[in-house]
Amino acid sequence: SYEVTQPPSVSVSPGQTASITCSGDKLGDKYAYWYQQKPGQSPVLVIYQDIKRPSGIPERFSGSNSGNTATLTISGTQAMDEADYYCQAWDSSTGGVFGGGTKLTVL
Amino acid sequence: QITLKESGPTLVKPTQTLTLTCTFSGFSLSTSGVGVGWIRQPPGKALEWLALIYWDDAKRYSPSLKSRLTITKDTSKNQVVLRMTNMDPVDTATYYCAHGVRFFGSGTYWHFDLWGRGTLVTISS
Repeated sequence: SYEVTQPPSVSVSPGQTASITCSGDKLGDKYAYWYQQKPGQSPVLVIYQDIKRPSGIPERFSGSNSGNTATLTISGTQAMDEADYYCQAWDSSTGGVFGGGTKLTVL
Repeated sequence: QITLKESGPTLVKPTQTLTLTCTFSGFSLSTSGVGVGWIRQPPGKALEWLALIYWDDAKRYSPSLKSRLTITKDTSKNQVVLRMTNMDPVDTATYYCAHGVRFFGSGTYWHFDLWGRGTLVTISS
């Protein structure tokens, strides 16, 4: 079955750029989706179809996807961005696949 | 405005069957390209996709849980029901339902743009 892998944690200083990766076999041939989840809250979609931002998501959130790796980039990271981030892919055989999540710490 | 809300028991005994209902508003599950999915999250752990029902009543299940899951819809009531059999303590989790969106690229792809608040289900005797 298809799987995607994320680093467990990423740290960033306020105002700097955070990059969170998601790896999967030929992930670039599929699409990557990214969700933000703050403690006690439901996930919120922040990036869809690799690079698109839903309405209401700040411009500092961006995405890319090529080869085997998708990347969520947060430019000018703010304290409010501290959260768990999950990537998701859709595979024709497996269906929905979530990564293990990355805890973003804004130091 | 799309909203979804999960309901069901908070405590289930091992070996019993869990039945959860997702009641939604703001969209119709008879509209092409729309689906409702179920995702769960054990305490302190990652999200896990469980099932998705399409507008045309097609269904997809997580391969690892397929034998235990049944998803159905009642379009007239704006509800989707998930049944999971033979519950075990490892199934303790917050169960979310979410609005599914289909995209045609080189294949068909689904994601979840809006989620309910989730319901915590504990499996214990």
